[in-house]
Amino acid sequence: GAVVSQHPSWVICKSGTSVKIECRSLDFQATTMFWYRQFPKQSLMLMATSNEGSKATYEQGVEKDKFLINHASLTLSTLTVTSAHPEDSSFYICSASYTPGELFFGEGSRLTVL
Amino acid sequence: GQNIDQPTEMTATEGAIVQINCTYQTSGFNGLFWYQQHAGEAPTFLSYNVLDGLEEKGRFSSFLSRSKGYSYLLLKELQMKDSASYLCAVRRGNDYKLSFGAGTTVTVRA
Repeated sequence: GAVVSQHPSWVICKSGTSVKIECRSLDFQATTMFWYRQFPKQSLMLMATSNEGSKATYEQGVEKDKFLINHASLTLSTLTVTSAHPEDSSFYICSASYTPGELFFGEGSRLTVL
Repeated sequence: GQNIDQPTEMTATEGAIVQINCTYQTSGFNGLFWYQQHAGEAPTFLSYNVLDGLEEKGRFSSFLSRSKGYSYLLLKELQMKDSASYLCAVRRGNDYKLSFGAGTTVTVRA
């Protein structure tokens, strides 16, 4: 199957700093990538749809100025959590697809904001 | 919006069979997916149903009834490594994105 790589796997930062998470499709081109957030024992909540070469589409309730998404190439999307606070601590997962429906997930990034 | 419901937890013994049900309500239904997620890891794809009926893949099978808004994932010959969360996800229209249920945590005991 297709491979999606996410980096970093773990990140700890101080409150008020910004954190960037990268998502790469390693063996296919992904015009669309998705960013999810998952709290412990809860499901994946879609945050935004990242489209190569255009602005991301954010789900209702997700602050676009807080969670900056850039999809500069067909193999890379980045999520930047700006001015992070403890409530932003979560598991962030990206996914990509080259056929409608079947998603390939990155390994996930666990963010802890102190 | 979409309502996707699945049980929170299930427990079974090694070698047994477990069936995880998922019900959904959505307009423009265009496929149902099952994913497996081990604690602290990303989900991995298990199965995809878009037409009614049963899809079998080794020890795992998935069933769909579109008229009833119902699917199940059947896990046979349970192994300890099958202990994980199982996520039901629905695709709507021609979207690439999926909406996920809350997940069912399956615990396999010796």
